[in-house]
Amino acid sequence: DADVTQTPRNRITKTGKRIMLECSQTKGHDRMYWYRQDPGLGLRLIYYSFDVKDINKGEISDGYSVSRQAQAKFSLSLESAIPNQTALYFCATSDRLAGEEDTQYFGPGTRLTVL
Amino acid sequence: RKEVEQDPGPFNVPEGATVAFNCTYSNSASQSFFWYRQDCRKEPKLLMSVYSSGNEDGRFTAQLNRASQYISLLIRDSKLSDSATYLCVQRGSSNTGKLIFGQGTTLQVKP
Repeated sequence: DADVTQTPRNRITKTGKRIMLECSQTKGHDRMYWYRQDPGLGLRLIYYSFDVKDINKGEISDGYSVSRQAQAKFSLSLESAIPNQTALYFCATSDRLAGEEDTQYFGPGTRLTVL
Repeated sequence: RKEVEQDPGPFNVPEGATVAFNCTYSNSASQSFFWYRQDCRKEPKLLMSVYSSGNEDGRFTAQLNRASQYISLLIRDSKLSDSATYLCVQRGSSNTGKLIFGQGTTLQVKP
């Protein structure tokens, strides 16, 4: 079984709809992240959470919200989806920083299309 | 200017060739650098960390040049399975674990 899972894997929706993307991990990591990837722009950080009570905005948080329901679960919501939120979304996890060996582990991604 | 810049390529090379990618970064306070590999439509995965002293793992060598603010990835004896996008990544200067990704360099290894 995968250590980091995302649901759904693909979603097509319409402008104005509310969408929730879910992420679960079995790695026991404290830190979780949401990124989006667009062609030519690389991955950009949307939100990150260092534990259940700690939520932080990333560089492109406008139009998104998150919920850290448990250590293992971190969901991303688009309250009112718009076409420029069409992208590939990745969830990632990492353990507490340990020297330079901290690694982020990514889920398989959710491909979201907003029409 | 992007914080991390890469030539998107694609780099098309024959099997067995040696290929090198460079990546420049603008934040001189960055402490840690990495190369991630991403296969088409898949998630990124850590390929290797980049240390000031350089880092070698089999056919892959990563180097950091702080004076010129670039990192490099050298792949020797390219295999078909090396075809992928290689993401240059830096960790920000604060102790947050936040990573900053380059847009990636695409490598195509041809038979």
